[in-house]
Amino acid sequence: KNEVEQSPQNLTAQEGEFITINCSYSVGISALHWLQQHPGGGIVSLFMLSSGKKKHGRLIATINIQEKHSSLHITASHPRDSAVYICAVRNYGGSQGNLIFGKGTKLSVKP
Amino acid sequence: NAGVTQTPKFQVLKTGQSMTLQCAQDMNHEYMSWYRQDPGMGLRLIHYSVGAGITDQGEVPNGYNVSRSTTEDFPLRLLSAAPSQTSVYFCASSYGGLGSYEQYFGPGTRLTVT
Repeated sequence: KNEVEQSPQNLTAQEGEFITINCSYSVGISALHWLQQHPGGGIVSLFMLSSGKKKHGRLIATINIQEKHSSLHITASHPRDSAVYICAVRNYGGSQGNLIFGKGTKLSVKP
Repeated sequence: NAGVTQTPKFQVLKTGQSMTLQCAQDMNHEYMSWYRQDPGMGLRLIHYSVGAGITDQGEVPNGYNVSRSTTEDFPLRLLSAAPSQTSVYFCASSYGGLGSYEQYFGPGTRLTVT
């Protein structure tokens, strides 16, 4: 069983729709990251959180430590949001190098 | 700031050849790491460094060497390329311990080994 599971694997939405991407993990964590990988391949960090909720523009990330679950929401989606969204966790027991990555959710937003 | 830079962007090697993937950052980050990304799999850590002169192995270190002589540079060496090393390679840096601070990624190097 993968330690970080994302759902859905693929998501197609119409412009303007509200989008939710889910991340579940099975280890105790000290931090969770949401990353965005553009179609050209570059990866950027969207959020790092260890509790509660963070918001940046149309993006909102939440985490429930007790349920070992995080969600990434995109409000008023736009075609430029089309990308792969990756969840990664830093587990308590890990070494300095231990980030565990999900396989990503590929989002396509149609105009 | 240029952030994290990687060269080359693309590379084709024959089996058995060696090469070095370059990575540099200008943010004075202590922590740097190398990942590989393969279809259907999450990013996997190859090697990482917590400061100049200090490196350690990640999840998939076999066939790769690293060194960290300066804070800025963290090259990845493929000793004898194999087709299984065909992948996209990302270098990343962060201010502090891997995973506990925002990660900054380079643009990636797409490597094909024939």
